Amino acid sequence: AQSVSQHNHHVILSEAASLELGCNYSYGGTVNLFWYVQYPGQHLQLLLKYFSGDPLVKGIKGFEAEFIKSKFSFNLRKPSVQWSDTAEYFCAVNAGFQKLVFGTGTRLLVSP
Amino acid sequence: GAVVSQHPSRVICKSGTSVKIECRSLDFQATTMFWYRQFPKQSLMLMATSNEGSKATYEQGVEKDKFLINHASLTLSTLTVTSAHPEDSSFYICSATESVIYEQYFGPGTRLTVT
Repeated sequence: AQSVSQHNHHVILSEAASLELGCNYSYGGTVNLFWYVQYPGQHLQLLLKYFSGDPLVKGIKGFEAEFIKSKFSFNLRKPSVQWSDTAEYFCAVNAGFQKLVFGTGTRLLVSP
Repeated sequence: GAVVSQHPSRVICKSGTSVKIECRSLDFQATTMFWYRQFPKQSLMLMATSNEGSKATYEQGVEKDKFLINHASLTLSTLTVTSAHPEDSSFYICSATESVIYEQYFGPGTRLTVT
């Protein structure tokens, strides 16, 4: 069965610091990969997705992620975080039939 | 962008009663809708997948008779929690997707509290 692990449950950063959130999945076949964000009190929003092609994917709000097939990883990055990036971030994997498997999430707190 | 709504956003019901939650795709036709449950400080757990006009597919461990799902049209799916118990209290989230495109659009969620 597919599984997704996110290494950091809580991350605290100061504004302008760089961010990298880890995501590893277990599935040997072709996968689609996603990062979703959930701002306080809001619904899940798609940050970025990878289906195929360039393994470096750029998303909204300055986020990017890199798919490294050999490492089964899809880490999320942002060079300089803002206070408004405070949210919960979920990595998700889809290996067919449109069924998403989510990681446990990472709560990011950015202090001004 | 694609918008998915849920109604109600919050509901409180008494133990033993049933409650219905609606999920609507507002500006696209959703051939497939998903229902998730999110526990506090935890991830989303898929409960079931519903395709328009057919029976829902439930994940292992999810009681079909307790969580009734109906996907009667391309824009509406409903989740009915029957004979609710306090342990059913949770945050229920739906998502919807068009065929072919493997991107799910999420609703804002429904907070269910069973007293």
